[in-house]
Amino acid sequence: AQSVTQLGSHVSVSEGALVLLRCNYSSSVPPYLFWYVQYPNQGLQLLLKYTTGATLVKGINGFEAEFKKSETSFHLTKPSAHMSDAAEYFCAVSDREGNTGKLIFGQGTTLQVKP
Amino acid sequence: EPEVTQTPSHQVTQMGQEVILRCVPISNHLYFYWYRQILGQKVEFLVSFYNNEISEKSEIFDDQFSVERPDGSNFTLKIRSTKLEDSAMYFCASSVGGPQHFGDGTRLSIL
Repeated sequence: AQSVTQLGSHVSVSEGALVLLRCNYSSSVPPYLFWYVQYPNQGLQLLLKYTTGATLVKGINGFEAEFKKSETSFHLTKPSAHMSDAAEYFCAVSDREGNTGKLIFGQGTTLQVKP
Repeated sequence: EPEVTQTPSHQVTQMGQEVILRCVPISNHLYFYWYRQILGQKVEFLVSFYNNEISEKSEIFDDQFSVERPDGSNFTLKIRSTKLEDSAMYFCASSVGGPQHFGDGTRLSIL
C-alpha cells in the first residue's frame, strides 16, 4: 500500500532563506508524486508533480522537487523564501500508476516565514 | 484558469440531519473525487467517480454517504444522517486524467 511521511509538521525559515520540506513515500508501483499548497481558507493548489522522466521537477512560485528513487524521497525546495510562501504544504502519492487513482496525503507541513 | 467550485463554503447542521455538499468540476474533466480533512488531521480520500459510477470508495464512505452527478455538471456528496464526527472540511476534486484540481472546500460543522 502507498503511504507518505512528511518530516516536520512545522518549519520556520527567515525571508530569503532556503526552504526545504521533506517527503518520503512508500509505493508498490512506480510512484506518481505531487506537492500541493493550501493557503488559509483556500483549497489545495498543485505546486508540481512527478510522473516519469526528469527527476528534478519545477513548479510554480519558484518551487522545485527532486525524485530520488533510492531514497524514496520527493523533497520540496525553494532557494529563497518569500513571506507569501507561508502556507501548509502537502505531499501526496497516487495509489496506482498513473494519475487517476486516489491521492494518499502526508500529514502536511506548515511553513512559517519570518521577516 | 478553470476552477472547481464548491458550495456552500460553510454548512452548519444539526446532528441527524441530511446534508448535501455541492461541487461543479471543471467542465471537460472525467474523474471526480471527494476528500475530507478533519481539523488537525490528514486529507483523507472518500470516494472516486468515473463514467457515472463509483470507481472506488474508502472505508469511511459507509451507507450514510452517497454521491451523484445529476445533470452532467454538478457532483454532489450527500450525508444522510450526520454525526458529530462528520465535522470536517470536505474537498471536491476533478481531473481529465491528469493531476487532480481541488475546490476551496466546504467546512461542515455538526452541532
